[in-house]
Amino acid sequence: EIVLTQSPGTLSLSPGERATLSCRASQSVSSSYLAWYQQKPGQAPRLLIYGASSRATGIPDRFSGSGSGTDFTLTISRLEPEDFAVYYCQHYATSAPFTFGPGTKVDIK
Amino acid sequence: EVQLVQSGAEVKKPGESLKISCKGSGYSFSSHWTGWVRQMPGKGLEWMGIIYPGDSDTRYSPSFQGQVTMSVDKSISTAYLQWSSLKASDTAMYYCARYGDYGGYFQHWGQGTLVTVSS
Repeated sequence: EIVLTQSPGTLSLSPGERATLSCRASQSVSSSYLAWYQQKPGQAPRLLIYGASSRATGIPDRFSGSGSGTDFTLTISRLEPEDFAVYYCQHYATSAPFTFGPGTKVDIK
Repeated sequence: EVQLVQSGAEVKKPGESLKISCKGSGYSFSSHWTGWVRQMPGKGLEWMGIIYPGDSDTRYSPSFQGQVTMSVDKSISTAYLQWSSLKASDTAMYYCARYGDYGGYFQHWGQGTLVTVSS
């Protein structure tokens, strides 16, 4: 089973700043089968990125994903007020379970 | 438009059984894996398992194998998650979600069903 770790646990930033979130896998994630989700309080998660770097439909281009192997990054180029939320990575490589990381909370500084 | 609509909140006692539902619309229900995700109060997302409605092929996370049962009724485009004997530790929000067009990520999500187990 692939274990995902995310860092930092909390990221305190101001609107307009750049956010860089990390997701590290315990073993290589084949074919970059990694996704990122955003979850706001009281809401279901929303898919942001799949295939490590492909934006889901309707996701603004300030969100970008990169990485391969065991190290992946979600970057928010300029934080908007609505971007303050919790972000999860998830792998979907090889066989189930397709686990989630523990999450990174991006809050307002 | 793809939609997943889940059944309403439940309050149960320990030892009771429960079946919650997730109705898909706006797509070919039988052709897309559907999964379930648990979120305990104040905690992160946990991948529980997936089911392929076309043939009811099911994959469970080891953490949930034997604890829950996933099923589908293709005729009404509905997936189910059930417990035979609830525990207080089953208190959580449960989301159903549909696979993406290009792999095992969850592209579409239901609104969640809150299950509270308390004596």
